[in-house]
Amino acid sequence: DIQMTQSPSSLSASVGDRVTITCRASQGISSSLAWYQQKPEKAPKSLIYAASSLQSGVPSRFSGSGSGTDFTLTISSLQPEDFATYYCQQYKSYPVTFGGGTKVEIK
Amino acid sequence: EVQLVESGGGLVQPGGSLRLSCAASGFTFSDHYMDWVRQAPGKGLEWVGRTRNKANSYTTEYAASVKGRFTISRDDSKKSLYLEMNSLKTEDTAVYYCARVYPLNWNLDYWGQGTLVTVSS
Repeated sequence: DIQMTQSPSSLSASVGDRVTITCRASQGISSSLAWYQQKPEKAPKSLIYAASSLQSGVPSRFSGSGSGTDFTLTISSLQPEDFATYYCQQYKSYPVTFGGGTKVEIK
Repeated sequence: EVQLVESGGGLVQPGGSLRLSCAASGFTFSDHYMDWVRQAPGKGLEWVGRTRNKANSYTTEYAASVKGRFTISRDDSKKSLYLEMNSLKTEDTAVYYCARVYPLNWNLDYWGQGTLVTVSS
């Protein structure tokens, strides 16, 4: 199975900050990576697919990059509604696997 | 508007069975692969399994943790996805989400609101 490791597991940031979350795959997955946002008691929401493509309707302050084993999710200017937990997911091979999550909290 | 609505969750004893349903609307259900993903209380997301579409013979994939105990099926005429869960364990306690697989890219572009399954004596 491909292991997905996210870092950090949590971070504190202020509104307007630039935030970067990293995700590392245990083996190469090309660009078969997605990012999701989940708010408490809510279903996950798709943000990014194919490592860097923005899902329709997602604000442009979200961006993704990387390929192979190392990926990043960047929020260019953190907004109040962005405080949530973020997960990466690889879909290169079965079983599909998720990272452990990064909780973005208010500083 | 794409909508996925899960139902069927509840309290079940260890060793018991439960069937979850996911009703889809707002898109051509029969064209899409569909997934189940679960989230134990306070934990991260865990992929449960997938059903492919008719064009791909409705074949399925499962996580090792549920293989042989859970069965994913679908009824395209009813636009519904199902998860049959047998031999339930306490560690199967989780919110279960159904999700649509985005064609060509295989990420999960729409999710239901989830249904809670509690396995406890």
